[in-house]
Amino acid sequence: IAGITQAPTSQILAAGRRMTLRCTQDMRHNAMYWYRQDLGLGLRLIHYSNTAGTTGKGEVPDGYSVSRANTDDFPLTLASAVPSQTSVYFCASRAQGGNTEAFFGQGTRLTVV
Amino acid sequence: AQSVTQPDIHITVSEGASLELRCNYSYGATPYLFWYVQSPGQGLQLLLKYFSGDTLVQGIKGFEAEFKRSQSSFNLRKPSVHWSDAAEYFCAVGAVSGGYNKLIFGAGTRLAVHP
Repeated sequence: IAGITQAPTSQILAAGRRMTLRCTQDMRHNAMYWYRQDLGLGLRLIHYSNTAGTTGKGEVPDGYSVSRANTDDFPLTLASAVPSQTSVYFCASRAQGGNTEAFFGQGTRLTVV
Repeated sequence: AQSVTQPDIHITVSEGASLELRCNYSYGATPYLFWYVQSPGQGLQLLLKYFSGDTLVQGIKGFEAEFKRSQSSFNLRKPSVHWSDAAEYFCAVGAVSGGYNKLIFGAGTRLAVHP
């Protein structure tokens, strides 16, 4: 089934640890995004990638890094997790163009303790 | 800068009642507008979208939305709500800016449905 897959589904992480959230899509979409969802704040963009080999900073990039080695994968890394990074993280992809629909993964619930 | 405002954080309606969720956007050109729904513990699913043409657009699950340029609004409506419509609803605007395809979300409206 075509779509976008995130792993893990949930994770409890000790503060200071490094963590990579995985995201894979099989729709050959050029653009991919990482959002975090927090109560009352909606979805805030962390990083984006327009195409393989390029990435950019979103609204709340501090403490996060991404890479886009190929079209399908867009991992998000927390180099040294802090409690304020406790959130639900969503990966999304869409074809090129401002009028295209975004497809979302099921989310990763991360708790930093 | 582009932005999306959803004025209502929570809305409660009775099953069978009509529904309207408000969305206002700020964007300099003709926007690409979307409504997404998120059921508990799930990702976001597209309900409908507006790009151009008829300002009243139909979506899935019996939802519709009307684009009003003069009011910078894109309100979501449903004539008769079902209990299964309880979810969180997000309005979003899509734009190309600085060489990248932005998709900007509002803060969301959480809908509760009473039997």
